[in-house]
Amino acid sequence: DTGVSQNPRHKITKRGQNVTFRCDPISEHNRLYWYRQTLGQGPEFLTYFQNEAQLEKSRLLSDRFSAERPKGSFSTLEIQRTEQGDSAMYLCASGLLQGVGGYTFGSGTRLTVV
Amino acid sequence: GENVEQHPSTLSVQEGDSAVIKCTYSDSASNYFPWYKQELGKGPQLIIDIRSNVGEKKDQRIAVTLNKTAKHFSLHITETQPEDSAVYFCAASVGGTALIFGKGTTLSVSS
Repeated sequence: DTGVSQNPRHKITKRGQNVTFRCDPISEHNRLYWYRQTLGQGPEFLTYFQNEAQLEKSRLLSDRFSAERPKGSFSTLEIQRTEQGDSAMYLCASGLLQGVGGYTFGSGTRLTVV
Repeated sequence: GENVEQHPSTLSVQEGDSAVIKCTYSDSASNYFPWYKQELGKGPQLIIDIRSNVGEKKDQRIAVTLNKTAKHFSLHITETQPEDSAVYFCAASVGGTALIFGKGTTLSVSS
């Protein structure tokens, strides 16, 4: 296992378009987290899953955002009707229950909305 | 909800000096405190973590201390090297729930 994988690494889209990002966690990790990071800031929590169940959503996750983890393995994050303010790095992390062993982050998907 | 404050926002040291970054948290239920290093264009990388039942943890040149009463935790890097230059983030969580991050410290180590 080579760690948390995120695709694509970069995405440029026009305002109003929909985009979808994928995260493949470390295979034995049952928790998966999505974060957003803007320049000069720390990662901001969006949502997390335990297996296929979405357990918590941040108020940052507007109704234009949806995340899924259909089989408890990979996850997708979709943004509908993108806005310029959505431009950011979207990070995925995975971990075990109770945070044993820590949380491992992927390299992120950088979204630019033009 | 949890709030994590981190200081300083920037830190410049000479190679070989020590660097200290401090964080405070608000939620007394938080019990897991990791530190991440982030280099440009990369995701955060876990460098050390500590749980609330431990007061101090050390790994080679890096150490973390935790004061649960004061809700403070700190990262100490000794004998800094140019490759330690990066952005460092502290974070806090309650047992596997969402990590809440500080705003980061940009560490510059000059040779």
